[in-house]
Amino acid sequence: EIVLTQSPGTLSLSPGERATLSCRASQSVSSTYFAWYQQKPGQAPRLLIYGATSRATGVPDRFSGTGSGTDFTLTISRLEPEDFAVYYCQQYGSSPLYTFGQGTKLEIK
Amino acid sequence: QVQLQESGPGLVKPSGTLSLTCGVSGGSIASVSTSGWWSWVRQPPGKGLEWIGEIYHSGSTHYNPSLHSRVTISVDKSENQFSLELTSVTAADTAVYYCGGNGHYSLDHWGQGTLVTVSS
Repeated sequence: EIVLTQSPGTLSLSPGERATLSCRASQSVSSTYFAWYQQKPGQAPRLLIYGATSRATGVPDRFSGTGSGTDFTLTISRLEPEDFAVYYCQQYGSSPLYTFGQGTKLEIK
Repeated sequence: QVQLQESGPGLVKPSGTLSLTCGVSGGSIASVSTSGWWSWVRQPPGKGLEWIGEIYHSGSTHYNPSLHSRVTISVDKSENQFSLELTSVTAADTAVYYCGGNGHYSLDHWGQGTLVTVSS
């Protein structure tokens, strides 16, 4: 099983700042099979990035994904108040087919 | 626009069977998902996400090995829905259960989720 480890566990920033969230895989993951999600309290997760770098429909361009192999990054260029949430990374392909990181909580400083 | 809605009992007794259904609207279950695959994911209160399994509109399935012996996912194309059964439940199965539509090796569409509590 590929284990995804996200860091930091909690990130405290102010609106307008840049956020950098990391996800490290225990084994190499194809970029095609890597995604990021946003989850707000009481809501279902929302797909942000698929294929490591492609934004899902309707996702603002302040969200960007980079990375390959075992290290992936989600960057939010300028934080808006609605961006404060929990973010999960996800890989596909190794049994179990889908695994998620433990999440990074992005909170207002 | 694909919309998903989970339904089923919110309370299940220990050792019983959890049964949930996911209704799909916005198109045929055979064609409206990018990949044709549909998933169940769960999230214990205050914790992270766990993929349970997936089903293709034709009925092929894949399950998480950690739950494989207790899980059955089925599809009913005539009703445009798919279902989850989880047997021999314990308190550890208490979670919000989400159904989802699979896309490009990701979960593109999500239901709102339904909390299932295992308790006597």
